[in-house]
Order: sequence, then structure tokens, then C-alpha cells
Amino acid sequence: GAVVSQHPSRVICKSGTSVKIECRSLDFQATTMFWYRQFPKKSLMLMATSNEGSKATYEQGVEKDKFLINHASLTLSTLTVTSAHPEDSSFYICSARGDSQFGYEQYFGPGTRLTVT
Amino acid sequence: GNSVTQMEGPVTLSEEAFLTINCTYTATGYPSLFWYVQYPGEGLQLLLKATKADDKGSNKGFEATYRKETTSFHLEKGSVQVSDSAVYFCALGGSARQLTFGSGTQLTVLP
Repeated sequence: GAVVSQHPSRVICKSGTSVKIECRSLDFQATTMFWYRQFPKKSLMLMATSNEGSKATYEQGVEKDKFLINHASLTLSTLTVTSAHPEDSSFYICSARGDSQFGYEQYFGPGTRLTVT
Repeated sequence: GNSVTQMEGPVTLSEEAFLTINCTYTATGYPSLFWYVQYPGEGLQLLLKATKADDKGSNKGFEATYRKETTSFHLEKGSVQVSDSAVYFCALGGSARQLTFGSGTQLTVLP
């Protein structure tokens, strides 16, 4: 149990275009999902906290108009990188927080490698 | 605010060697502490955790003890295997259940 998927696993896009990344909790409902960015040889940086049915809470320094987060259901959150630029190239990881059955732990997706050319 | 300081890598060991990866933290209140592992090309997996002082988390031969007096949560394994090669992250869970991660330590185990 407690499986989180991400789609796509890899995406290459041209500068100026938008890319949507999906995060799904496959066998549990998640009222809260988190989006992280991981730079090479660096730790995970929390970008935003996504709560089902409400606006996401962004961390300081993260542009909410550039990184659009939608959490329309208890099993799906999406991150859209708008007007992507090469500096947005990174590894994006989501996590979903389980309910009491799962001890409220965070379960991580496998990540999405975004390359902007 | 919360922060985690983790031993920098990379760490290279021979199979069956003893492993220690140091982790210290700064936090308000009484956080939970975690070790996550990331195998190549995969997402993070929870390796072990401890929720209060003096708790010992253990899994797959790995252990870590929550030391409040030294604000540490060092990861240890008595005999590493090639399959343990991965990146290990120490993390702290705050009151809002958000995680603060250390910088990660790359471990390579040679046969």
C-alpha cells in the first residue's frame, strides 16, 4: 500500500512552453500533497504544500504564477510549469501524506525529470 | 527555524564494512526524525524513523537513535552490501508535518 505515481517520468520541452506533471496516490486518499524540487547533488527543496480543494501554500521564493498547483481530488495533484526556461530544468518530486491508517507519513513519487531546451 | 546538517559525501566502502552517516538537527519543539533512501532513478523511500528522544529506528539492518542531548540521529549499519548503494537523506518532521531534509549523502559500496 501507499504508492504514489508521477507522470511523466521524463519530459523535454522548449523554452516558453508549459509542462504539466501529475502526482497520484494510487491506493489511498491524500488531503495533502507536497511538491519538491531536487537539484543535482543537492537536497530536496519544498516548493509548495497542496491541500485538496483549496489554494496551495508556496514556500518563500517560489513563484506561484510560474508553478501552478492544482489539487482537485483526494488522489491527484498537478504541477504546471508555465513559460518554462532552461533554469527550470530539474528533478521534481511529489509526496502524498497518508491518513491515520498510514500514520500520516509522506509517501514519495518516483520523480519527474524536466529538461527545458 | 528547523534545519538538518548531514555528513557530506560521497562515501565509498567495501562490502561488509561498517557504515556511519552523521546527522544533526536544529529544531523547536519535539520533532520526529527520519532517514530516507533514494536508489538510482527512483523516488525517496522511508528507511526508518524515530518520534521521540531515545527512540531507536531500525530497518534492513540500518539503525539510528534519536539523541536529544546531542541533537543527533546518526545512521549506522554493521555490514553494508552492494545493494545499499544509494543516496541517504536525514529529515526532520515539524509540527506542521512538513519535512526538512539534509543535503543527502551518496553511498557507494564496492564488491
